[in-house]
Amino acid sequence: GDSVTQMEGPVTLSEEAFLTINCTYTATGYPSLFWYVQYPGEGLQLLLKATKADDKGSNKGFEATYRKETTSFHLEKGSVQVSDSAVYFCALRTQTGANNLFFGTGTRLTVIP
Amino acid sequence: NAGVTQTPKFRVLKTGQSMTLLCAQDMNHEYMYWYRQDPGMGLRLIHYSVGEGTTAKGEVPDGYNVSRLKKQNFLLGLESAAPSQTSVYFCASSPPWDTQYFGPGTRLTVL
Repeated sequence: GDSVTQMEGPVTLSEEAFLTINCTYTATGYPSLFWYVQYPGEGLQLLLKATKADDKGSNKGFEATYRKETTSFHLEKGSVQVSDSAVYFCALRTQTGANNLFFGTGTRLTVIP
Repeated sequence: NAGVTQTPKFRVLKTGQSMTLLCAQDMNHEYMYWYRQDPGMGLRLIHYSVGEGTTAKGEVPDGYNVSRLKKQNFLLGLESAAPSQTSVYFCASSPPWDTQYFGPGTRLTVL
């Protein structure tokens, strides 16, 4: 079935460090891929998305490229800030169903000054 | 414009009690969803709705019922709560085949 495998955390980085959170997926057809972020005490917010192979989603300095050949959608940021501390979820949406999302387990990022 | 709101924010139940969680959205979205979030398991879809008067089962529907009598509201019911239903519940809404917008969550504890 459709699933997302996400890098386990937690991840602790110093401010201005480079961030990579790995995400790979299993799905039939051509899914759309998403990264959501959850700040403490809040609901999930869409961070970025990509709907077809080789698309790059970007927002707030974060980037992820849809790689069909490696079934991956890794999240990267060149220089993290304390305010980036949150839980990050990779998700996919298949072409069947009703816009349903399948989520990874989440990766908690803590950025220290 | 409040987006997606959830009521209540916190609740403690005893085993066997019933309750209803309310989700409301003011974005005129057709689709609405209920998820549960458990440690180490990400979010899992409980039920969803693609329009007023319609509902469908998601990945983990057992023990829950839902209703969508009005387009803007999506109710999640627990008829007889069990400790396994201790979780954080998130509601979301979206236009058809578009970005889902999430509410702030309801933390439910079943003793």
